[in-house]
Amino acid sequence: KAGVTQTPRYLIKTRGQQVTLSCSPISGHRSVSWYQQTPGQGLQFLFEYFSETQRNKGNFPGRFSGRQFSNSRSEMNVSTLELGDSALYLCASSSGGRDGYTFGSGTRLTVV
Amino acid sequence: QQQVKQSPQSLIVQKGGISIINCAYENTAFDYFPWYQQFPGKGPALLIAIRPDVSEKKEGRFTISFNKSAKQFSLHIMDSQPGDSATYFCAAQRGGSQGNLIFGKGTKLSVKP
Repeated sequence: KAGVTQTPRYLIKTRGQQVTLSCSPISGHRSVSWYQQTPGQGLQFLFEYFSETQRNKGNFPGRFSGRQFSNSRSEMNVSTLELGDSALYLCASSSGGRDGYTFGSGTRLTVV
Repeated sequence: QQQVKQSPQSLIVQKGGISIINCAYENTAFDYFPWYQQFPGKGPALLIAIRPDVSEKKEGRFTISFNKSAKQFSLHIMDSQPGDSATYFCAAQRGGSQGNLIFGKGTKLSVKP
């Protein structure tokens, strides 16, 4: 069974640019969540999508957005990048129940 | 406000010893408490989880102890091995569709041979 796939693994962007990250969940999983991981703040919840609808959102500015497609694949977008957006962005999928989340290996974003 | 507090930040244990990581939470609406293990360059992986209707859960060398009245839970790693060296995160989740995982800050465990 394939795991959660995140692309790309690494990204370097310039301040002010925008970026799109992609996540393919485990087959059959309908819930996709996104987390930001930094050394200072740890793992922070961005948002969760279930069946193409955002059903939960963390405390991040509107520059952070996401969407989910009918095949459950998800993308997150960050516009007007800031240096502080440099982080590991993790995607996690679940069946939508309470059986735990499976994380991908993440996308390492560096903003210069 | 940090809803899940984890300690210690780092831990060094000798091979064969017991590693203990503690977490405390504030929100009594939390009803699912997982522990995740993360190796460098990888995403967190679910290790073991517990619900508040039990006080202890054991899977192999890993045990969660849960104290509902104190709002605390802990991870015990028995017979710690160098391969257990990783960062461990506790987390808590509310019931219902609006519940997302809220993580502790993590504990970096080093098991010395």
